[in-house]
Amino acid sequence: AQSVAQPEDQVNVAEGNPLTVKCTYSVSGNPYLFWYVQYPNRGLQFLLKYITGDNLVKGSYGFEAEFNKSQTSFHLKKPSALVSDSALYFCAVRALTGNQFYFGTGTSLTVIP
Amino acid sequence: GAVVSQHPSWVICKSGTSVKIECRSLDFQATTMFWYRQFPKQSLMLMATSNEGSKATYEQGVEKDKFLINHASLTLSTLTVTSAHPEDSSFYICSAPRDIDTGELFFGEGSRLTVL
Repeated sequence: AQSVAQPEDQVNVAEGNPLTVKCTYSVSGNPYLFWYVQYPNRGLQFLLKYITGDNLVKGSYGFEAEFNKSQTSFHLKKPSALVSDSALYFCAVRALTGNQFYFGTGTSLTVIP
Repeated sequence: GAVVSQHPSWVICKSGTSVKIECRSLDFQATTMFWYRQFPKQSLMLMATSNEGSKATYEQGVEKDKFLINHASLTLSTLTVTSAHPEDSSFYICSAPRDIDTGELFFGEGSRLTVL
């Protein structure tokens, strides 16, 4: 079975500081991993994905994520946080067959001015 | 701009009535769409996979007769919450993959259902 875990419900970071939102995965085979962001009462917006290739993936709004196979992690990072980055972030894994996506529990990011 | 449109955004209904939520892919055809349910401050729970021209595939624990899914065309899937009760109040989100190979999902803006 495919699954992802987000160990932190809440992450607070000061504006301008680097941020990290953690995600670990459990899959059989090669993982398809994704990060999405959700603003209040809105749908999810795609940030970035890892399918294959370079372990460091760059995405929207200056975000990036590093795929680490040995640690089974796919942490989301940004060098300098903005107040507007405050939102709910979801890590997701795509099923190998059927195209279903399974989401982590989400991490609420608050960037403090 | 949005590539998946969901309607209505907000709906309030009386207990016992049925509510239909539409999900449309705007600039691509989607043979598959996914319906999720999200409780406050919680993650998305996959409810079912909507398949164009065939029956939906429901996740374990999701009542098929309560949540009717119809995928009548390559751009439209509907979720009908039948005989709604207050515990059905939730945020429902649909999604569709525009490119199966890349696997990227596009999401609708969600529908907030409140059952009185």
